[in-house]
Amino acid sequence: GQQVMQIPQYQHVQEGEDFTTYCNSSTTLSNIQWYKQRPGGHPVFLIQLVKSGEVKKQKRLTFQFGEAKKNSSLHITATQTTDVGTYFCAGPKAGGTSYGKLTFGQGTILTVHP
Amino acid sequence: GAGVSQSPRYKVAKRGQDVALRCDPISGHVSLFWYQQALGQGPEFLTYFQNEAQLDKSGLPSDRFFAERPEGSVSTLKIQRTQQEDSAVYLCASSYGGTNEKLFFGSGTQLSVL
Repeated sequence: GQQVMQIPQYQHVQEGEDFTTYCNSSTTLSNIQWYKQRPGGHPVFLIQLVKSGEVKKQKRLTFQFGEAKKNSSLHITATQTTDVGTYFCAGPKAGGTSYGKLTFGQGTILTVHP
Repeated sequence: GAGVSQSPRYKVAKRGQDVALRCDPISGHVSLFWYQQALGQGPEFLTYFQNEAQLDKSGLPSDRFFAERPEGSVSTLKIQRTQQEDSAVYLCASSYGGTNEKLFFGSGTQLSVL
């Protein structure tokens, strides 16, 4: 079945360092979404990418969708302690009944040391 | 309400007990999803409603799991004869529907089966 893999599983950085997490799907995706989950919290939508090669920025966060629409990345510039949490990528399940029927990656846990 | 509301926040059940988890989605949201999140993992799709119709229940792990949304608003996920492997966080999410399924997640119900 469809698999979505993320690397790394964990990332520890010093405040001010950059951070990148990578997402790879076993199948071509119609779109990819990114969510952030704070410790003890619930996933919160960050962004959706739809087009091949698309790049979107949100302040210090840069999201990319690969040309083949099978991979994506999230880059955070100059991390802050507020960036702590788990970052998930997710794509619609192949043959799904809804675009909200998502396959999530296992997430990258980001720790930021002040 | 302002967001997706789930209750109870925590539920402890003895093995073999039945449990009912409630989700109150954002008003006007057509789509409602249930996801299961095991510790350290990404959410896993369980089932999907469009209004009152359950269009996809392919992710329900067994026939002990049952979900309903009788009036197209509040939804209940019921687990009969709970087992230890059912211990997880159960997340409800809602969205407007369509091709841009930005999901709004509730805080989840943490179920512990002893």
